[in-house]
Amino acid sequence: DADVTQTPRNRITKTGKRIMLECSQTKGHDRMYWYRQDPGLGLQLIYYSFDVKDINKGEISDGYSVSRQAQAKFSLSLESAIPNQTALYFCATSAAGGFNEQFFGPGTRLTVL
Amino acid sequence: AQRVTQPEKLLSVFKGAPVELKCNYSYSGSPELFWYVQYSRQRLQLLLRHISRESIKGFTADLNKGETSFHLKKPFAQEEDSAMYYCALSGRGFNKFYFGSGTKLNVKP
Repeated sequence: DADVTQTPRNRITKTGKRIMLECSQTKGHDRMYWYRQDPGLGLQLIYYSFDVKDINKGEISDGYSVSRQAQAKFSLSLESAIPNQTALYFCATSAAGGFNEQFFGPGTRLTVL
Repeated sequence: AQRVTQPEKLLSVFKGAPVELKCNYSYSGSPELFWYVQYSRQRLQLLLRHISRESIKGFTADLNKGETSFHLKKPFAQEEDSAMYYCALSGRGFNKFYFGSGTKLNVKP
């Protein structure tokens, strides 16, 4: 089945370290998104990409960067991790055009000590 | 600014009771509203969208533009409905989604 996968699923790191979270999809979707989930705050959009050459900031992009290496891959980087970036991170994809459904990955739980 | 508000963090009901999860939104254009659900140990998945006017797993939601609401309803809750529910908003011309903070539904036996 076409799917959205995230690696790693869990990661513990220390303040100041560089971290990369990876997202891959086999759905053939053009659009990919990175969200952060914090308790009581729901999902907040970090970055989104409508195709390989298109990258856009979301609501909370400070401290994060992304790379769209191919249609199927969208990576999120924390250049210098800090404790308040401890959260659950979700990748999502959607087809281009209209108000299409977003398909979510299983999430990556990141802890910054 | 676009905003989605889910006022209840936790909603507990007994099996067979009606359930209503509230969602209010703020958006200046023509919104598209969605409900996403996250069951325990599963990923978020779409439950329903207002443009489809469908009933999924017994749930329905009506967009009320006058009250800017999109409440999720089910007449008889089941234990398997226990999950986290997120209301989401998107709009024509931009394809970002704005999510509410979520409501945890607990259906007691």
